[in-house]
Amino acid sequence: DAKTTQPPSMDCAEGRAANLPCNHSTISGNEYVYWYRQIHSQGPQYIIHGLKNNETNEMASLIITEDRKSSTLILPHATLRDTAVYYCIVRTYTGNQFYFGTGTSLTVIP
Amino acid sequence: NAGVTQTPKFQVLKTGQSMTLQCAQDMNHNSMYWYRQDPGMGLRLIYYSASEGTTDKGEVPNGYNVSRLNKREFSLRLESAAPSQTSVYFCASSLLGGLSNEKLFFGSGTQLSVL
Repeated sequence: DAKTTQPPSMDCAEGRAANLPCNHSTISGNEYVYWYRQIHSQGPQYIIHGLKNNETNEMASLIITEDRKSSTLILPHATLRDTAVYYCIVRTYTGNQFYFGTGTSLTVIP
Repeated sequence: NAGVTQTPKFQVLKTGQSMTLQCAQDMNHNSMYWYRQDPGMGLRLIYYSASEGTTDKGEVPNGYNVSRLNKREFSLRLESAAPSQTSVYFCASSLLGGLSNEKLFFGSGTQLSVL
């Protein structure tokens, strides 16, 4: 299973873009990159996912490098409500398992 | 739609007691999952069920049993609770399972303390 590496914590000023990096150097060609976030102790919430191309939705943008060994989640205008733990996950194709690491704790500062 | 519903929300057990955590989803999903989250840590997969009638072990299955009662319901049982099982338990579901471009939908969690 491809593993991911994320910084344990980051800060971002309110209103600025938050750029959260993720390394997944052992990713296979048919594995997707997913991002989830967890606010306080709630259940994780889906944000976005992608395979090769950059993706954008109403919550965020996902930039995947050409070699697919890393990606960046971008929250374009961070708000205090974006303070959460963000998980980068590579979905195993052969199984039904999402493996969560320890994620990045993002704090948005007023 | 309620999504994924877990009961109970909180539970305190004594060491050696047994209990069952219930999970139900109303999205007609095929796959269901049980995770645990210890303080300051990410989620770890306990068991999953790819489809009705099947169950498989995840990363940390020891001390747990599961039952996929029907397509909607997936329960997690602790036969003899231990303090090491103090954790927050999350149930999740996904539509098809086994495909790389699927989303997980989570319940709100059960906070379990074993004294």
